[in-house]
Amino acid sequence: NSKVIQTPRYLVKGQGQKAKMRCIPEKGHPVVFWYQQNKNNEFKFLINFQNQEVLQQIDMTEKRFSAECPSNSPCSLEIQSSEAGDSALYLCASSLRVDSDYTFGSGTRLLVI
Amino acid sequence: AQSVTQPDARVTVSEGASLQLRCKYSYSGTPYLFWYVQYPRQGLQLLLKYYSGDPVVQGVNGFEAEFSKSNSSFHLRKASVHWSDSAVYFCVLSIRNSGGSNYKLTFGKGTLLTVTP
Repeated sequence: NSKVIQTPRYLVKGQGQKAKMRCIPEKGHPVVFWYQQNKNNEFKFLINFQNQEVLQQIDMTEKRFSAECPSNSPCSLEIQSSEAGDSALYLCASSLRVDSDYTFGSGTRLLVI
Repeated sequence: AQSVTQPDARVTVSEGASLQLRCKYSYSGTPYLFWYVQYPRQGLQLLLKYYSGDPVVQGVNGFEAEFSKSNSSFHLRKASVHWSDSAVYFCVLSIRNSGGSNYKLTFGKGTLLTVTP
């Protein structure tokens, strides 16, 4: 059982709809990453946080994706207007430091139809 | 640019046989290297990691890996596989972003391991 809890496990949205997923990092881990894993096992970095502050995010994330990691609440990743190409497994990972290993959640599988 | 290559997309071995999954990386600096396993419909689980020191690192469930700077490799091994080892295995490279204090993960494409009875 993963110590990083992601909900929901599955998410089905129509094109143009909002899609929101949540992540509770492992207790005591201040660093949180979001990755997108497609069906070809290609991983795309989306955004990462340290103590609620954004460290880095990619351009795609800045336009349609939004994410936050408020204190005392789950982290969240939201796609404002879902596209078919967003269908993927979204993985949240947490870590003690940016340069150490990561604990991954089980992921949220998004299907945009 | 850095990269990770797992040359074998699929590997099939018999239960009880030995296993080696290959991983080659490209990076001019000192890498942090990991092997993760992904079971169906699950996230990634850490098997082992290499930061420095002894090039042979031990992991969970009898897995080990050997780092070779000269060969730019980090191959995963197991002496005797079990059917429950069937999964996708990812070799992952962590490096510091240029000019910053952030780190970036580079994933291999994964190797699907099938263990047959």
